[in-house]
Amino acid sequence: NAGVMQNPRHLVRRRGQEARLRCSPMKGHSHVYWYRQLPEEGLKFMVYLQKENIIDESGMPKERFSAEFPKEGPSILRIQQVVRGDSAAYFCASSPGHYYEQYFGPGTRLTVT
Amino acid sequence: EDKVVQSPLSLVVHEGDTVTLNCSYEVTNFRSLLWYKQEKKAPTFLFMLTSSGIEKKSGRLSSILDKKELFSILNITATQTGDSAIYLCATFTGTASKLTFGTGTRLQVTL
Repeated sequence: NAGVMQNPRHLVRRRGQEARLRCSPMKGHSHVYWYRQLPEEGLKFMVYLQKENIIDESGMPKERFSAEFPKEGPSILRIQQVVRGDSAAYFCASSPGHYYEQYFGPGTRLTVT
Repeated sequence: EDKVVQSPLSLVVHEGDTVTLNCSYEVTNFRSLLWYKQEKKAPTFLFMLTSSGIEKKSGRLSSILDKKELFSILNITATQTGDSAIYLCATFTGTASKLTFGTGTRLQVTL
């Protein structure tokens, strides 16, 4: 049973470009969460999605960031017009339901130059 | 604001030692507390604790929750160099199943 998959593992973008991060949850999991980990900081919640629905986006910056989890295909975290402060590790997690343990993917390390 | 605090921030021990990692929390609508181990990649799930006083155990690792005093401990006995990692504590908070994480305890086990 494959775990949570994320790609790319490393992404380099110049300031002003767009970054697209992908997450495929574990088989049988319909709940997806995105977290961001800044250097020397803990994991911070960004957004919680189920298929075709955003359940909680209270941790998402109001501008430039968006997320989706379509009926088919992976969940996408999209960052438009990236800035240096967006450089971080972005982790995706999935679970089979509310308040179940969350399993994390290997993360995407975004570097903005 | 929901808060999860871990201590110590870092710890260096010798192989074979026993360590205790602490996690205290102040959160609204507490449901469960989770422990993860993070090496240079994805956090790996260790335990989820929902009830007070019931120890969860997996090999040399064990954990317990005290909902009255709002804390949990993670014990590792007979530590090995492979236990070197950052140990993260997190709680479900509020009405959505998002996790609030502490900043972690960095454990280094030396020979």
